[in-house]
Amino acid sequence: DAKTTQPNSMESNEEEPVHLPCNHSTISGTDYIHWYRQLPSQGPEYVIHGLTSNVNNRMASLAIAEDRKSSTLILHRATLRDAAVYYCILRVYNTDKLIFGTGTRLQVFP
Amino acid sequence: DSGVTQTPKHLITATGQRVTLRCSPRSGDLSVYWYQQSLDQGLQFLIQYYNGEERAKGNILERFSAQQFPDLHSELNLSSLELGDSALYFCASSAEGQRAPNEQFFGPGTRLTVL
Repeated sequence: DAKTTQPNSMESNEEEPVHLPCNHSTISGTDYIHWYRQLPSQGPEYVIHGLTSNVNNRMASLAIAEDRKSSTLILHRATLRDAAVYYCILRVYNTDKLIFGTGTRLQVFP
Repeated sequence: DSGVTQTPKHLITATGQRVTLRCSPRSGDLSVYWYQQSLDQGLQFLIQYYNGEERAKGNILERFSAQQFPDLHSELNLSSLELGDSALYFCASSAEGQRAPNEQFFGPGTRLTVL
């Protein structure tokens, strides 16, 4: 399974944008890029996913590099509730299993 | 609330015992997944069922087994328990399998403690 690399932790202030990077240099042409987050004492929750083009939804935006070897999850205005571990995951085409890495622990300060 | 329910919430048992964890997927979801989260191994995919049939296997020990019933609920059976099996066990469900980049909805987890 292709691997992702994320910083162990990041910090942000409330109401500021947050850019969470992810490197996936061994991504194949059909791997989807998924982001999940895990709030304290909860199960993971889906944030966003993409294949080649940038994606936006109500939670976040996903910017995918042209060569697809990296991506960035963008939280436009961080809130205290966004403090969580964020996982960048490559999902192999035609499979459903998610292979979680160690993720980035995001701290948000008031 | 993801719509996925798991019981029990907590389970404390002794080494060598057997336990069963139960998961009810979101209404209409055909795929059920089991994940294990421990402090040293992180979140690991164990197994997936789709409409009653095993679809994918991950790092699931031979002492562990799962099944999905006709009403689509799933059970994860853990036997000959060891201290190292202490972990959070999450169930997730999704609408389809392998045909679309589908979102997985996770339950609140069952915390298993083996003493």
